[in-house]
Amino acid sequence: QKEVEQDPGPLSVPEGAIVSLNCTYSNSAFQYFMWYRQYSRKGPELLMYTYSSGNKEDGRFTAQVDKSSKYISLFIRDSQPSDSATYLCAMSANAGGTSYGKLTFGQGTILTVHP
Amino acid sequence: DTGVSQNPRHKITKRGQNVTFRCDPISEHNRLYWYRQTLGQGPEFLTYFQNEAQLEKSRLLSDRFSAERPKGSFSTLEIQRTEQGDSAMYLCASRGGGTIGELFFGEGSRLTVL
Repeated sequence: QKEVEQDPGPLSVPEGAIVSLNCTYSNSAFQYFMWYRQYSRKGPELLMYTYSSGNKEDGRFTAQVDKSSKYISLFIRDSQPSDSATYLCAMSANAGGTSYGKLTFGQGTILTVHP
Repeated sequence: DTGVSQNPRHKITKRGQNVTFRCDPISEHNRLYWYRQTLGQGPEFLTYFQNEAQLEKSRLLSDRFSAERPKGSFSTLEIQRTEQGDSAMYLCASRGGGTIGELFFGEGSRLTVL
């Protein structure tokens, strides 16, 4: 079993829809949670970063972390065709030194927003 | 462009050949990471440098793989005696003193082993 599970989709939604993306994890040492967006043939770029449980909002994006359930979510409101990409969840343990930047990624969910 | 630069972008090679990839991180970043991404999967951690010191290596990094970062600037990832299973995107990322997840990724070097 993988440490981080993410439904690969693909997910297809109409423009303006609310999108919900989710990941579950098994390693209770994970303390830092991130969502990356990856366009085709590009490297991942950081969208959202959260520490511990709770919600974080940034424009149309909201990240939620529920550590008790080992479950994280990303919501995209008013989705746009430009949001079409692969969305990767990523996590890291709370440890200094070498563990910083050592991220464990989910498989990625392919999202298409059609006009 | 001041982002992470990787070369070559695509390398096609025959099984058994050696290949080398280069990564130029963002200039002020002292931390550099290599990840590998296969089709339909998320990136997997390979190795990490702080300045010129290689501080961690994944079990994924077999003896055929070697990474260096001389002088703490650019880094190279060499794969010897390539196998078809090495076909993947090799991603380099760098980080400064920001938050833990704020890695800046390059566009990757895609390896195809025939």
